[in-house]
Amino acid sequence: TQLLEQSPQFLSIQEGENLTVYCNSSSVFSSLQWYRQEPGEGPVLLVTVVTGGEVKKLKRLTFQFGDARKDSSLHITAAQPGDTGLYLCAGGDYKLSFGAGTTVTVRA
Amino acid sequence: DVKVTQSSRYLVKRTGEKVFLECVQDMDHENMFWYRQDPGLGLRLIYFSYDVKMKEKGDIPEGYSVSREKKERFSLILESASTNQTSMYLCASSFGTAYEAFFGQGTRLTVV
Repeated sequence: TQLLEQSPQFLSIQEGENLTVYCNSSSVFSSLQWYRQEPGEGPVLLVTVVTGGEVKKLKRLTFQFGDARKDSSLHITAAQPGDTGLYLCAGGDYKLSFGAGTTVTVRA
Repeated sequence: DVKVTQSSRYLVKRTGEKVFLECVQDMDHENMFWYRQDPGLGLRLIYFSYDVKMKEKGDIPEGYSVSREKKERFSLILESASTNQTSMYLCASSFGTAYEAFFGQGTRLTVV
C-alpha cells in the first residue's frame, strides 16, 4: 500500500492570510491528485499533477509536485472563507488511496 | 452532468443485519470504488472494481463484500453489521486510477 501523509491535520487562519498544506510519501507516484470536500458532500477534484517538479495554478491555489514525485504541496494565497473545507491528496498506480486530509478553516 | 448516485443518504441498521449499499454511475467508467470516511482517518479504501465481475480488496476489506454485475452498478455488502462499521461510506468511479474520481454524496450508516 502506498501511504500518503498529510500535514497539518488542522489549519485555522484569518481571511487574507496565506497557507500551505503538505502531502508526503516514501513511495514514488506517477501522479497525485488534490481534492476538496465540503460537509455533507463527496470530494471534488481540484487538480492532478503528473510531472516531477510540476507547478499548477488554479486562481489563488498553487500546487507543486516534488522532483522525486514523492510529495506535493498546496498553497493558497489570500485565503477567503469560501476556501474552508477538507483538502485531500490522493494517488496510486493500481488503487486510488487518500491521505487523512487537512481541515482548513478561514475566518472572516 | 456526470453523476454518481448512492441509494441512501442516511441509514440506521441493527447489529447483525445484512446491509446493502448501492452505487450507480452514468459515465461508463471502468473503475468503481468504495471508501469509508472516519474523522482523522481520511478515506480508506474498502474494495474496488476495474471491470464487471472483477473486484480487488482495498486496505480494509474485512467484514465487507462487493458485487459488480453490471458496469454502472457497484454494491457494498455488510454481511453482519457491527457497531464499528458505523461510518460515512463514499462510492466513486473513474476511467482509470490517474483520472479524476467522481464521488457520490455518501451514505451515513449508523449501526445500533
